[in-house]
Amino acid sequence: AQKITQTQPGMFVQEKEAVTLDCTYDTSDPSYGLFWYKQPSSGEMIFLIYQGSYDQQNATEGRYSLNFQKARKSANLVISASQLGDSAMYFCAMMNTGGGNKLTFGTGTQLKVEL
Amino acid sequence: DGGITQSPKYLFRKEGQNVTLSCEQNLNHDAMYWYRQDPGQGLRLIYYSQIVNDFQKGDIAEGYSVSREKKESFPLTVTSAQKNPTAFYLCASSARGGPSYNEQFFGPGTRLTVL
Repeated sequence: AQKITQTQPGMFVQEKEAVTLDCTYDTSDPSYGLFWYKQPSSGEMIFLIYQGSYDQQNATEGRYSLNFQKARKSANLVISASQLGDSAMYFCAMMNTGGGNKLTFGTGTQLKVEL
Repeated sequence: DGGITQSPKYLFRKEGQNVTLSCEQNLNHDAMYWYRQDPGQGLRLIYYSQIVNDFQKGDIAEGYSVSREKKESFPLTVTSAQKNPTAFYLCASSARGGPSYNEQFFGPGTRLTVL
């Protein structure tokens, strides 16, 4: 079975600082994809970044980067130069082949950006 | 604009009543999904459909039913058999699975409260 673990229920960061949100995963499949989504208080889920298990380089999307350490089964999200608008819930999720593109989500990390 | 719509945003029902949540997409996606989110939790998959007239149970299908008669529509019925129906319900869609992973796009969600 697939499992995603996010051990930080809440995080604080000062504006303009970088922050790392932790995510570890467990799967026996050799092929999988890892996703990060942002959920503001309004509730919608916003896709941030994707990393494939066979990708050689860490994914980056603007201020978001994914620190992918395959041997440790970790896929941490790094947000650089935090902004007040980054305050939200962040979810790590995994998708496996042969599973109908289903996503397995972690429990999330609530990020609060402070002045 | 292309996207996913869910209606209504807030829904109140009496205990013992069935209720149907709407989900429509105009992204021409083959696959659609229903997730449930409880406070402080990640998303859990209820049902998914990879193609019209076909759908599969997710991790928590008991007490729910779906239909997929049209590509753009995937309504979810919360039946009276669902013991704890009060939750936030999110619908998503994606291009059909293949050798690569496809991002899921989410609707704005429906917050269901059973009184």
